[in-house]
Amino acid sequence: GDSVTQTEGQVTVSESKSLIINCTYSTTSIAYPNLFWYVRYPGEGLQLLLKVITAGQKGSSRGFEATYNKETTSFHLQKASVQESDSAVYYCALGDPDSGTYQRFGTGTKLQVVP
Amino acid sequence: GPKVLQIPSHQIIDMGQMVTLNCDPVSNHLYFYWYKQILGQQMEFLVNFYNGKVMEKSKLFKDQFSVERPDGSYFTLKIQPTALEDSAVYFCASSLGRTTNTEVFFGKGTRLTVV
Repeated sequence: GDSVTQTEGQVTVSESKSLIINCTYSTTSIAYPNLFWYVRYPGEGLQLLLKVITAGQKGSSRGFEATYNKETTSFHLQKASVQESDSAVYYCALGDPDSGTYQRFGTGTKLQVVP
Repeated sequence: GPKVLQIPSHQIIDMGQMVTLNCDPVSNHLYFYWYKQILGQQMEFLVNFYNGKVMEKSKLFKDQFSVERPDGSYFTLKIQPTALEDSAVYFCASSLGRTTNTEVFFGKGTRLTVV
């Protein structure tokens, strides 16, 4: 079946430094999956950060970017300069356009931005 | 933005008793979901619901679990009887369309503790 892998459980970055959170996916579907990044801020529900539904495209939101790379089956999340307010848990997710009726989530990466 | 509300935020229940988790989805949404996250583990899909019926359920959706949304009111997850391994945070979600390329809106979760 489909799956999403996030290798880092927690990442600590100094304010104004760059960030990359890794996400890779696998799918048994013939069609390319739709890919998402969600974020959960402290005390809040999970919310969509960005999505890309076309392989090769880049999505961006709030200074974050992720490029859908079908060759490496990756969808890493990047930001050039993080702020303390970016501290949250980030989840990569996949939707199978062929047969899926729900999105599958990675294990989440907790980002802590320190001064 | 649109909100999914979950009531209560935390519930403690004796093993073997019945529990009902309530979810107030976004008002015009048509698809509803429950996910389960055990502490330190991945958020995993339980079940989704559309047009009064379960569309798909995972192996985590045991026979003791049931969902309904009577007359467009709360979308509920009932567990009867509860077991210790049911202790987890349960997230309700809703979407306007199928989730494969549609934003899914999540509640903040209900933490269920079975003692």
